[in-house]
Amino acid sequence: DTAVSQTPKYLVTQMGNDKSIKCEQNLGHDTMYWYKQDSKKFLKIMFSYNNKELIINETVPNRFSPKSPDKAHLNLHINSLELGDSAVYFCASSQGRVGRLEFFGPGTRLTVL
Amino acid sequence: KQEVTQIPAALSVPEGENLVLNCSFTDSAIYNLQWFRQDPGKGLTSLLLIQSSQREQTSGRLNASLDKSSGRSTLYIAASQPGDSATYLCAVNLSSNTGKLIFGQGTTLQVKP
Repeated sequence: DTAVSQTPKYLVTQMGNDKSIKCEQNLGHDTMYWYKQDSKKFLKIMFSYNNKELIINETVPNRFSPKSPDKAHLNLHINSLELGDSAVYFCASSQGRVGRLEFFGPGTRLTVL
Repeated sequence: KQEVTQIPAALSVPEGENLVLNCSFTDSAIYNLQWFRQDPGKGLTSLLLIQSSQREQTSGRLNASLDKSSGRSTLYIAASQPGDSATYLCAVNLSSNTGKLIFGQGTTLQVKP
């Protein structure tokens, strides 16, 4: 049973395109996150939603827009893709706004050409 | 601003050795610290979590220590095995109220048979 799943696993696209990455968790958690891992392997938080409410919004270009249709899903839409957006994007979830994050998705490798 | 540093960036050891991975952080006001494992092309697996009031945590051959006052944590791996080969990441959480983790860059470990 997959706890946190992401689609697609790989995404290759041209500069300027708009793309979405989907995340779903079947753990019954109410808080979900998006993290970005750059080419130097640094992982940085982008967004967090609790019960469909945005609770963390780091300094991320407004081309990135998270959308949470329900507690089990947190999608990431990216407009006007740039070369620097190439990275691995990880979704994660937790129960409540707790200080422990255990469940990460497998990641989506985005390559912008 | 909290910064997390991991040294060394890469480590190669023969099978059976005991080894220590280091993590340092600049702001001692942390809520907890987690150690993760990341296999190539995979998501993160949470290994150990140490609360700020704790000194160490153990799980099998893994032992993590925390010295909050000096801003340091170590992950000790006993009797290393080729299956331990992976990237090990430490991350600090500044708050009990969010899953916003500040990650180090990771140590890539290779255990040679």
